[in-house]
Amino acid sequence: GQQVMQIPQYQHVQEGEDFTTYCNSSTTLSNIQWYKQRPGGHPVFLIQLVKSGEVKKQKRLTFQFGEAKKNSSLHITATQTTDVGTYFCAGTSGGSYIPTFGRGTSLIVHP
Amino acid sequence: DVKVTQSSRYLVKRTGEKVFLECVQDMDHENMFWYRQDPGLGLRLIYFSYDVKMKEKGDIPEGYSVSREKKERFSLILESASTNQTSMYLCASSMVRSGPTEAFFGQGTRLTVV
Repeated sequence: GQQVMQIPQYQHVQEGEDFTTYCNSSTTLSNIQWYKQRPGGHPVFLIQLVKSGEVKKQKRLTFQFGEAKKNSSLHITATQTTDVGTYFCAGTSGGSYIPTFGRGTSLIVHP
Repeated sequence: DVKVTQSSRYLVKRTGEKVFLECVQDMDHENMFWYRQDPGLGLRLIYFSYDVKMKEKGDIPEGYSVSREKKERFSLILESASTNQTSMYLCASSMVRSGPTEAFFGQGTRLTVV
């Protein structure tokens, strides 16, 4: 079945440093979603990418969908302590509307 | 404000007990999901439902069943709880469009089986 691999599992950064998490799929994706889960909270939807090569920005967050639609990345510029949490990608392939989640990247920001 | 509500935030049950986890959404969503979240393993799909009385197995359905008698309510049942079912359980819902749409999650139920 479809697999979505996400790296790294953990990332420690100093406040102000940049952060990137990567998502790779074994199959071509029809779309990819990104979610953020704060410590003690539940996943919250951030964005959905659909088009090959698509790039979307939300303030300091930049989301990319690869040209082959098999990989995606989330980049945070100048991290802040409010960015702490686990970031999940979730990909869908074929005609399915059921996303497969990656294992998540936990971001720890040191002040 | 859209809401997915899970009946309990924390539960402690004994091995062998029958356990019901309830989830209600107020957004008239067709799709509802039950996930299990364990450290380092991400979110794993247990069951999903795309309509009343309809259900499909996810990646890890063993030891679980579900019930969807009304559109807004999706229940997860552990027929005979075991210690390896100690976990965080997350319910989610989404609407049906031409493709996948964002999922709204409940606050989670942390189940401990002793």
